[in-house]
Amino acid sequence: DAGITQSPRHKVTETGTPVTLRCHQTENHRYMYWYRQDPGHGLRLIHYSYGVKDTDKGEVSDGYSVSRSKTEDFLLTLESATSSQTSVYFCAIRRQGDEQYFGPGTRLTVT
Amino acid sequence: RKEVEQDPGPFNVPEGATVAFNCTYSNSASQSFFWYRQDCRKEPKLLMSVYSSGNEDGRFTAQLNRASQYISLLIRDSKLSDSATYLCVVNGYNNDMRFGAGTRLTVKP
Repeated sequence: DAGITQSPRHKVTETGTPVTLRCHQTENHRYMYWYRQDPGHGLRLIHYSYGVKDTDKGEVSDGYSVSRSKTEDFLLTLESATSSQTSVYFCAIRRQGDEQYFGPGTRLTVT
Repeated sequence: RKEVEQDPGPFNVPEGATVAFNCTYSNSASQSFFWYRQDCRKEPKLLMSVYSSGNEDGRFTAQLNRASQYISLLIRDSKLSDSATYLCVVNGYNNDMRFGAGTRLTVKP
């Protein structure tokens, strides 16, 4: 158990609405990540954070923003959700070396 | 070309079989390599890191071939509980982790 929770676990929303997903960790790790997983693509990095208020873009960052105001929380926001953002979103933390540990995921459907 | 490529499978094997997965990567400067396991509708879980000299953990053996840029995972004496998707992970050009799309394994009685 990596001490990571994600909320909500499931969400259905309409195109054009804003959506915020939350990732919470209990182990005080510096690095946190947001990925999306789609069939045939594997996990792709959206954004990551290397400290409070320190974030950077990943491979598929368009349409997403993030914030990290506390070590334990990393928020992912879809400013105006589109159907192409229907996916499973995973948050991860990094422990020793490059080992990453994942939260349980959020299933987002944009109708 | 994808940075990390895996045979999607599925691999269907009987209990007790030995099965091997390969994964190729494009970034010759990659330094970190992992195998993750993902059960249906669950998060990926770290199975093992892959070291240059190769490493073993019980029935699982991981190997790295830097010259040919591939890593492998060997599972001996397959169990029903080994049924899952196995993800190859390599650190990429921006030093972030790149995931293969996964290889699905089904172990049958």
